[in-house]
Amino acid sequence: AQKITQTQPGMFVQEKEAVTLDCTYDTSDPSYGLFWYKQPSSGEMIFLIYQGSYDQQNATEGRYSLNFQKARKSANLVISASQLGDSAMYFCAMRETSNDYKLSFGAGTTVTVRA
Amino acid sequence: EAQVTQNPRYLITVTGKKLTVTCSQNMNHEYMSWYRQDPGLGLRQIYYSMNVEVTDKGDVPEGYKVSRKEKRNFPLILESPSPNQTSLYFCASSLSRSLGEKLFFGSGTQLSVL
Repeated sequence: AQKITQTQPGMFVQEKEAVTLDCTYDTSDPSYGLFWYKQPSSGEMIFLIYQGSYDQQNATEGRYSLNFQKARKSANLVISASQLGDSAMYFCAMRETSNDYKLSFGAGTTVTVRA
Repeated sequence: EAQVTQNPRYLITVTGKKLTVTCSQNMNHEYMSWYRQDPGLGLRQIYYSMNVEVTDKGDVPEGYKVSRKEKRNFPLILESPSPNQTSLYFCASSLSRSLGEKLFFGSGTQLSVL
């Protein structure tokens, strides 16, 4: 069964607008961590933000915020004030206590920012 | 500069010709792993290592070998590459396997097997 589901293969967003990337996950572990990575066209993987399952507040890092809804098992990434440099593929990933030796990744969402 | 170094960046080879992709990290990380990225599938773990001489299979280990003779190095070996191993490969490392420990990734190796 898919552990991480990203249902949006591609999205367009206007420069300076906000965009939300969906991520749902499946785990029976009570303790887990959720990550978002950015992959620009150059190919490298850039860590953006982390949310622990027991964190009381939603994580934020600059223009990135994570909308964590534990009961719905969703961990959506919100990018505010989009910039042209935000055009990239974005991956949601999870580490579970029972499988702490790996990150399980979603299929990714490609974001294209329009001027 | 803290980094994971992968080589080569691009590689084109033919079926059956053994190849090695090197990976080295300078952060004294205990944990290293290999992933492959394929369209529509995201990244999938091939092998991982929790310390020197300790390696184990990930989700898609068939056709691959690894070794961890030194803490900093974790090469990926394809003994007899096949076209279905055409993919983008990433080496990654982290200090530990704590839940919040992020992975540091190499710059990737785009492999084409003809």
